[in-house]
Amino acid sequence: EDQVTQSPEALRLQEGESSSLNCSYTVSGLRGLFWYRQDPGKGPEFLFTLYSAGEEKEKERLKATLTKKESFLHITAPKPEDSATYLCAVQAANNAGNMLTFGGGTRLMVKP
Amino acid sequence: GAGVSQSPSNKVTEKGKDVELRCDPISGHTALYWYRQSLGQGLEFLIYFQGNSAPDKSGLPSDRFSAERTGGSVSTLTIQRTQQEDSAVYLCASSVQMNTEAFFGQGTRLTVV
Repeated sequence: EDQVTQSPEALRLQEGESSSLNCSYTVSGLRGLFWYRQDPGKGPEFLFTLYSAGEEKEKERLKATLTKKESFLHITAPKPEDSATYLCAVQAANNAGNMLTFGGGTRLMVKP
Repeated sequence: GAGVSQSPSNKVTEKGKDVELRCDPISGHTALYWYRQSLGQGLEFLIYFQGNSAPDKSGLPSDRFSAERTGGSVSTLTIQRTQQEDSAVYLCASSVQMNTEAFFGQGTRLTVV
């Protein structure tokens, strides 16, 4: 069974204080790993897709990396507007249903 | 429209009533997904459509739940004889084709009283 575990559950940072969020996964053949951002009362917003170990993607203050067992979302010099819940999800290669298996999310709070 | 559209945004219903939730995907997206997000829980997969067919219905929690998609576009999720445990945010997502990133709508918040 595919599993995704995100840590920490919650993270408080001061503005400008860089940190990383972790997503550990077990899947029978990874088709893709996805990062989403979710603001309260809204649907998840797509950030990145990573397909193979060693791949990295960047967008503004965010950088996502992937190994064979985990992914990290690095946040450099965060701003209060980066406060949100960050969700990680995997899609298995043998998954005929094409579903994403999500982790529980990391709630990030950035204080000015 | 530019994004995935869901209606209604909020629905309050009495226990035992039937409800219909609607999803209008991004134009041209062939894959459509329904997920459920309960308070304090992660996103739970319900069903996936490729075109008008649903290869995977394994996530539907009971036979009170059903979904259809017509014309390769709009999808409706129907919950019959609603129960309090059905209260959640129901999220719809679509993607250009399978194996590509999915884009989510704003969700329908269902409250069963």
